[in-house]
Amino acid sequence: AQSVTQLDSQVPVFEEAPVELRCNYSSSVSVYLFWYVQYPNQGLQLLLKYLSGSTLVKGINGFEAEFNKSQTSFHLRKPSVHISDTAEYFCAVTPHNYGQNFVFGPGTRLSVLP
Amino acid sequence: NAGVMQNPRHLVRRRGQEARLRCSPMKGHSHVYWYRQLPEEGLKFMVYLQKENIIDESGMPKERFSAEFPKEGPSILRIQQVVRGDSAAYFCASSPEGQSRRTQYFGPGTRLLVL
Repeated sequence: AQSVTQLDSQVPVFEEAPVELRCNYSSSVSVYLFWYVQYPNQGLQLLLKYLSGSTLVKGINGFEAEFNKSQTSFHLRKPSVHISDTAEYFCAVTPHNYGQNFVFGPGTRLSVLP
Repeated sequence: NAGVMQNPRHLVRRRGQEARLRCSPMKGHSHVYWYRQLPEEGLKFMVYLQKENIIDESGMPKERFSAEFPKEGPSILRIQQVVRGDSAAYFCASSPEGQSRRTQYFGPGTRLLVL
């Protein structure tokens, strides 16, 4: 079984400041990793994913994440946030074998302040 | 290419009524997943279906909940005799065949309120 931890339930940050949202996972098998963003009253939009290859992954809206296998982490970063980045961010994993669902973390609410 | 469609977007039911939530996957996607999101929580997996088959229903409550994905038409999540605890947002996701199957694309959700 897999589990995902997002240590920060809320992260307030000023506009144009950098931000890091932390994600750690636990799994007995290899996993693929994802970050999704959810704007108020909307569905989830894929930000980025790590399937294989380079451990530094770039996504949409200027976000990037780095997979660290030894630390079982997949932290999300952005060098300069905008007001429009205010949303809920979810980290998710799915095992390599087929037919498996996603396991989501509890989410981190990013609030960008003017 | 239209995204994952869900309807209705909002659904209000009284206790004891039935709720039917519909999901049309992206064109060409044959895998459908249902998740439930309770207030202030992350998404919890409920069920995974392919056309006409339930592949994994390990997250479905044993009673009152059922899901189908017929050969023709949308996937349906059905909740019988709803209770207040069923109030939540229900999200559907779809994925294609092959390696791209790793990525799930989500619909806008149906927000169910049980009075």
